[in-house]
Amino acid sequence: DTEVTQTPKHLVMGMTNKKSLKCEQHMGHRAMYWYKQKAKKPPELMFVYSYEKLSINESVPSRFSPECPNSSLLNLHLHALQPEDSALYLCASSQLETGSNEKLFFGSGTQLSVL
Amino acid sequence: QKEVEQNSGPLSVPEGAIASLNCTYSDRGSQSFFWYRQYSGKSPELIMSIYSNGDKEDGRFTAQLNKASQYVSLLIRDSQPSDSATYLCAVKVGGGNKLTFGTGTQLKVEL
Repeated sequence: DTEVTQTPKHLVMGMTNKKSLKCEQHMGHRAMYWYKQKAKKPPELMFVYSYEKLSINESVPSRFSPECPNSSLLNLHLHALQPEDSALYLCASSQLETGSNEKLFFGSGTQLSVL
Repeated sequence: QKEVEQNSGPLSVPEGAIASLNCTYSDRGSQSFFWYRQYSGKSPELIMSIYSNGDKEDGRFTAQLNKASQYVSLLIRDSQPSDSATYLCAVKVGGGNKLTFGTGTQLKVEL
């Protein structure tokens, strides 16, 4: 089973709203990721959690706030977003093996539109 | 120079032909290489990984790695219309968690 589940699949929000994206995996993976992907562009890394601790923040604006409540769950809290934040938000997970043979598995994504 | 470079395409091949997708990377410390397939509006799907110089085959797919030339490629044999998608090359440096993606090559398999 290589399933990473993301909810919701689609989200429309205003610039003053607060919303959250959710991600869940039951593969026993110990690393979880948030990526952002604009149309016709590659995925861009936002955050990485390793063993439930934030290990990488790619200088993401504070209007995006990640949270890892446990090893299976990852949230992305959104507040005061801008229209340019509209994109496909992808969650991914990996085993966190020693060495470099890591494989990332992506969820189906949340298509976010900010009005 | 971009860290991971791919020709954006589109690359058009007839059904049944071999599609050849190429990727170059700039960091000689790169150790892990991945090919993802992404259909329009969908998330990336891992199709191949390669870590050592040479060829790695999986069904109709063959990944080729040449670390000296900093070059990784993906061959798709007997291309099918269902292979039409964007193929993303991804590279990891060392043992860290960061995966860097190329801009992707759009492949079109024509009947």
